[in-house]
Amino acid sequence: QKEVEQNSGPLSVPEGAIASLNCTYSDRGSQSFFWYRQYSGKSPELIMFIYSNGDKEDGRFTAQLNKASQYVSLLIRDSQPSDSATYLCAVNSFNSGYALNFGKGTSLLVTP
Amino acid sequence: ETGVTQTPRHLVMGMTNKKSLKCEQHLGHNAMYWYKQSAKKPLELMFVYSLEERVENNSVPSRFSPECPNSSHLFLHLHTLQPEDSALYLCASSPGWREFPDIQYFGAGTRLSVL
Repeated sequence: QKEVEQNSGPLSVPEGAIASLNCTYSDRGSQSFFWYRQYSGKSPELIMFIYSNGDKEDGRFTAQLNKASQYVSLLIRDSQPSDSATYLCAVNSFNSGYALNFGKGTSLLVTP
Repeated sequence: ETGVTQTPRHLVMGMTNKKSLKCEQHLGHNAMYWYKQSAKKPLELMFVYSLEERVENNSVPSRFSPECPNSSHLFLHLHTLQPEDSALYLCASSPGWREFPDIQYFGAGTRLSVL
């Protein structure tokens, strides 16, 4: 069973702070890693993807990947109330073909 | 707007009804997916189609029947559902496994309630 683990939260941060969302995965063959944001009652939307060790930055978002530790994270700088949502970590490996394995998601609440 | 359109957005059906969910993608993608999202559970992959051929079927009960008539359209036919099938059903599409990474884009989903 290929597992993707996330803390369900809620993670509460004040507006303007850095939110740190973490994800671990069990399949060492995993190759690509995705962060989706899902607002309540809406569908997941892609925030970022990463497939090389290290950091990848896009605006206020930074994805970090450490394949040796089987760990991927998402940092949100200058958090805004509009960032309040559930963040889903998804992992794909060559062996899993098309399948994306999703975590249960972390609920983020940014308080004004 | 992701380029993946699902209809209907909401559906209420009895256990003896037959209904269909529709998904259409305008992205020129080759792969399409059905997912089920229940409360407190991860997204569950149900079916995958690549170039109109079903490539994955994750032990889904036969009361769910997918159909992919062409690479732009995907259906999920429902019959004799159970109350525990009530969930958000999401369709997604992606370019296909030849592209790396193969990013999936989701439709808005159909909220299904089985009475």
